[in-house]
Amino acid sequence: AQSVAQPEDQVNVAEGNPLTVKCTYSVSGNPYLFWYVQYPNRGLQFLLKYITGDNLVKGSYGFEAEFNKSQTSFHLKKPSALVSDSALYFCAVTLGGTYKYIFGTGTRLKVLA
Amino acid sequence: DAGVIQSPRHEVTEMGQEVTLRCKPISGHNSLFWYRQTMMRGLELLIYFNNNVPIDDSGMPEDRFSAKMPNASFSTLKIQPSEPRDSAVYFCASSPRDRGNSVQFFGPGTRLTVL
Repeated sequence: AQSVAQPEDQVNVAEGNPLTVKCTYSVSGNPYLFWYVQYPNRGLQFLLKYITGDNLVKGSYGFEAEFNKSQTSFHLKKPSALVSDSALYFCAVTLGGTYKYIFGTGTRLKVLA
Repeated sequence: DAGVIQSPRHEVTEMGQEVTLRCKPISGHNSLFWYRQTMMRGLELLIYFNNNVPIDDSGMPEDRFSAKMPNASFSTLKIQPSEPRDSAVYFCASSPRDRGNSVQFFGPGTRLTVL
């Protein structure tokens, strides 16, 4: 069965430090991978996606993610965290022709001033 | 564009009452999704419409839940009768295409509390 795992419920990082939010997936076939962010009392907002091509994907607000096929991972990264990055982050996967997202359970990022 | 619009933003009702949640997708988007978010179960896809036609309603929890999309600019999710376990945040999302590489655009959600 297809699945997405976000192994950390919460990640704490100091402002200015690099951050990583982890995501691994298990699908049969070639995945399309997404990161979304959810701020309090808001809907999910798209950050970035990997479809094909360059394994390093750059997205909104200085975030990037690296697709690693051998490790079946798609970790979200940012070189220097901001307090305003504090939010709930979701990894999601779809398979080629399908509309259906499989979401991870979410990771709460807390950036400390 | 105003984005996906949902109403009401908050709904408090009593068990047994009918609840109707409303969604206006982004103009030109042909795919519409209803999700439910709870602490226990995370984000669950309830139903998916493509070109106003329900394609996948396998996530609708039971017959008390129903959804319609009478035209390209409006959808409703109805719960009748409501129960306390239906308390959750309900999101509507739309997408310009029905492909797996399409980004979904989420509305702000409706927080439903059933007493």
